Amino acid sequence: NAGVTQTPKFQVLKTGQSMTLQCAQDMNHNSMYWYRQDPGMGLRLIYYSASEGTTDKGEVPNGYNVSRLNKREFSLRLESAAPSQTSVYFCASSSTGNTEAFFGQGTRLTVV
Amino acid sequence: RKEVEQDPGPFNVPEGATVAFNCTYSNSASQSFFWYRQDCRKEPKLLMSVYSSGNEDGRFTAQLNRASQYISLLIRDSKLSDSATYLCVVKRQAGKSTFGDGTTLTVKP
Repeated sequence: NAGVTQTPKFQVLKTGQSMTLQCAQDMNHNSMYWYRQDPGMGLRLIYYSASEGTTDKGEVPNGYNVSRLNKREFSLRLESAAPSQTSVYFCASSSTGNTEAFFGQGTRLTVV
Repeated sequence: RKEVEQDPGPFNVPEGATVAFNCTYSNSASQSFFWYRQDCRKEPKLLMSVYSSGNEDGRFTAQLNRASQYISLLIRDSKLSDSATYLCVVKRQAGKSTFGDGTTLTVKP
């Protein structure tokens, strides 16, 4: 029962460094998402992928890139990390249509 | 105006109390609605979907009013274990889900 798996769980970066957050799901879902959650706030959509080979910007895409490697995997890349990107990042997936999303355990990223 | 707005909270209630949360949404094209629960520093998990006719799951009742564009969550007989943040989620057909900022509930002995 792996569901949605994110790596790493914790990361500290220096300003200007780059990194990729990995996400994989084993539920055969078509749609995958990346959200960020800042303290005391709800989740904001960074990017989503409705199906393999497609990606679209969400509410807060600046500073991020994504790659839908295959149906299972959806990665999020920070090319040049900034302190404003300190947040908790959640990956999620859902099947097509009006169904609920399932979340990974989150990546706690600190940029110093 | 945010696409999904929730009661700001926080709600502090005694065990056994009944508490209700409201959520309004601005996009009339929204098609599906959910309540998620999020425990401190953990991932959100689905509490229940919200159907047009209203639905109940044990102590939890969800209602949808499409005309007024709001959904509600009622928790009866609150337990200490209900303490969490409750997130209202609205989804459009394209698959994009929009989350409210959440309402924090603390149930006290």
